[in-house]
Amino acid sequence: AQTVTQSQPEMSVQEAETVTLSCTYDTSESDYYLFWYKQPPSRQMILVIRQEAYKQQNATENRFSVNFQKAAKSFSLKISDSQLGDAAMYFCGLNPVGGSQGNLIFGKGTKLSVKP
Amino acid sequence: EPEVTQTPSHQVTQMGQEVILRCVPISNHLYFYWYRQILGQKVEFLVSFYNNEISEKSEIFDDQFSVERPDGSNFTLKIRSTKLEDSAMYFCASDSGSLILSGNTIYFGEGSWLTVV
Repeated sequence: AQTVTQSQPEMSVQEAETVTLSCTYDTSESDYYLFWYKQPPSRQMILVIRQEAYKQQNATENRFSVNFQKAAKSFSLKISDSQLGDAAMYFCGLNPVGGSQGNLIFGKGTKLSVKP
Repeated sequence: EPEVTQTPSHQVTQMGQEVILRCVPISNHLYFYWYRQILGQKVEFLVSFYNNEISEKSEIFDDQFSVERPDGSNFTLKIRSTKLEDSAMYFCASDSGSLILSGNTIYFGEGSWLTVV
């Protein structure tokens, strides 16, 4: 079975500071993609960043970066210079390349609050 | 930027009634999906659709549910005889199917919030 675990139900960060959201996963697939999606109060699912498992280099998207540790099956999200608009629910997701197309497995999410 | 669009954004229905949720996936995408999120819970996969047929479905997707691509642009989820526990946000999603173009990235719509009373 493939699983995604987010151990932090809630996190809080001061505006302009840095915060790291944790995610661990388990899969028997040799190749897969990992994602972080953001869900603001509007409840839309917005892609934040993605990482191909075969790439050792950590993905970055502006203020968002990941720390991908394949051996440890860890995929944390770092948000730098946090902004009020970053406040949202963040879901970590796993999509195996060799597995079922589109059966994206999500963690339970981490609710991020940003304090002004 | 192309996006997945869903209608309605919110629907209230009586228990036992049929509901159809509509989606327009991104135009050059080949794979289409429905996901469900019960309030306060994680997003769960329901079904994937490719080449005009279901390619995979979860255990949630029982005989009460069906999907259809009635024309070249729309993708629908039908829920027959709705139950209270069907109340949830339903997300439509799509992807190009190309690892090169989009790296297995699935693009979600804004969701349709279904309330069964």
